[in-house]
Amino acid sequence: GQQVMQIPQYQHVQEGEDFTTYCNSSTTLSNIQWYKQRPGGHPVFLIQLVKSGEVKKQKRLTFQFGEAKKNSSLHITATQTTDVGTYFCARGTYKYIFGTGTRLKVLA
Amino acid sequence: DAGVTQSPTHLIKTRGQQVTLRCSPKSGHDTVSWYQQALGQGPQFIFQYYEEEERQRGNFPDRFSGHQFPNYSSELNVNALLLGDSALYLCASSLGQGGNTIYFGEGSWLTVV
Repeated sequence: GQQVMQIPQYQHVQEGEDFTTYCNSSTTLSNIQWYKQRPGGHPVFLIQLVKSGEVKKQKRLTFQFGEAKKNSSLHITATQTTDVGTYFCARGTYKYIFGTGTRLKVLA
Repeated sequence: DAGVTQSPTHLIKTRGQQVTLRCSPKSGHDTVSWYQQALGQGPQFIFQYYEEEERQRGNFPDRFSGHQFPNYSSELNVNALLLGDSALYLCASSLGQGGNTIYFGEGSWLTVV
């Protein structure tokens, strides 16, 4: 129903490689948010996407909302060790339903 | 400008006991939501408080209750603790009930033994 699935569950990359995580929903999303949670830390808001086909960039991070508003992706170019953490997507307005998360490890 | 603050940071309780967790929202925010995050999982929405009333509730039993005070701070109470209640409890604050950015506190780590 309202679940958001994320793939992959885990990703290990060499520093400098690119990384992408995908968020998929079976129903149309009004919006999608992305969060980063460092190991032992709390989720930190990264961005919110609202429009169909929307693409937003934050330095090395590129966020995309699908045309059908049922999927979203986060792409990191040239990963750094500071990118380590779990990336969550979340749907909702009043109460947020979080995806299962993608745990990223960056090997120096 | 203080962010979201939570207390205590860590606590250990025995099965059957009761626990109270506290949260002060970010300055200027009036809405507080509580989430439970089990190890290796995403945060699960417990409930949201706005204008001192519970406005939204997730799929959690009545053992989980809360309160919001006139200064917008909030408490989460859990009665009759179970081993499965062991988790990171996150408070998130925002301005208004929906659509605005939510800011999480550092969380309270609860271990039930």
